[in-house]
Amino acid sequence: KNQVEQSPQSLIILEGKNCTLQCNYTVSPFSNLRWYKQDTGRGPVSLTIMTFSENTKSNGRYTATLDADTKQSSLHITASQLSDSASYICVVSAWNTGTASKLTFGTGTRLQVTL
Amino acid sequence: GAGVSQSPSNKVTEKGKDVELRCDPISGHTALYWYRQSLGQGLEFLIYFQGNSAPDKSGLPSDRFSAERTGGSVSTLTIQRTQQEDSAVYLCASTRRTDTQYFGPGTRLTVL
Repeated sequence: KNQVEQSPQSLIILEGKNCTLQCNYTVSPFSNLRWYKQDTGRGPVSLTIMTFSENTKSNGRYTATLDADTKQSSLHITASQLSDSASYICVVSAWNTGTASKLTFGTGTRLQVTL
Repeated sequence: GAGVSQSPSNKVTEKGKDVELRCDPISGHTALYWYRQSLGQGLEFLIYFQGNSAPDKSGLPSDRFSAERTGGSVSTLTIQRTQQEDSAVYLCASTRRTDTQYFGPGTRLTVL
């Protein structure tokens, strides 16, 4: 069964600090992995997308890594800001299916950045 | 440019009533998805439309749920005889084929 597990479930950090969110998956055959940011009351917004051959991708202060061998991904946030407070969702897609039913969503990590 | 829009933003209904949720995708996006997000849960796939192909309905939880997409653009998700367990945020997303999905703000449905 395809699964995506994220950790920690929630996290509180001080503004300016860095943090790393984890995503472990058992999706096969693997196609790509996406990280989304979802603000409270809003729809998810894509941060990064990585395919099998990519092991790191950055989007501003967000850097995602992918280890396809161990089936792990991380999202590193540098110099956190209050606006980073949101849920971060890891989504893994199975290969060549083209349908959403083969997207597997994690339950997300709830990040709170405080003063 | 305009993103994905959904209406209403909030809907409160009584158990047993029917509700219709609307999604306006980004112009030119051929694929449209409906998801459900219950409190503290991950996104749950409901249905997928791609162009003129038959929709993938494999995620619909029961026959009380149905969706249509008129003219390859606007989509409506209909829930008949609503139950309290239907309470959730219903999210719509659109994309060009299998590109990154762009999500709408969602409709928060509360069934009393």
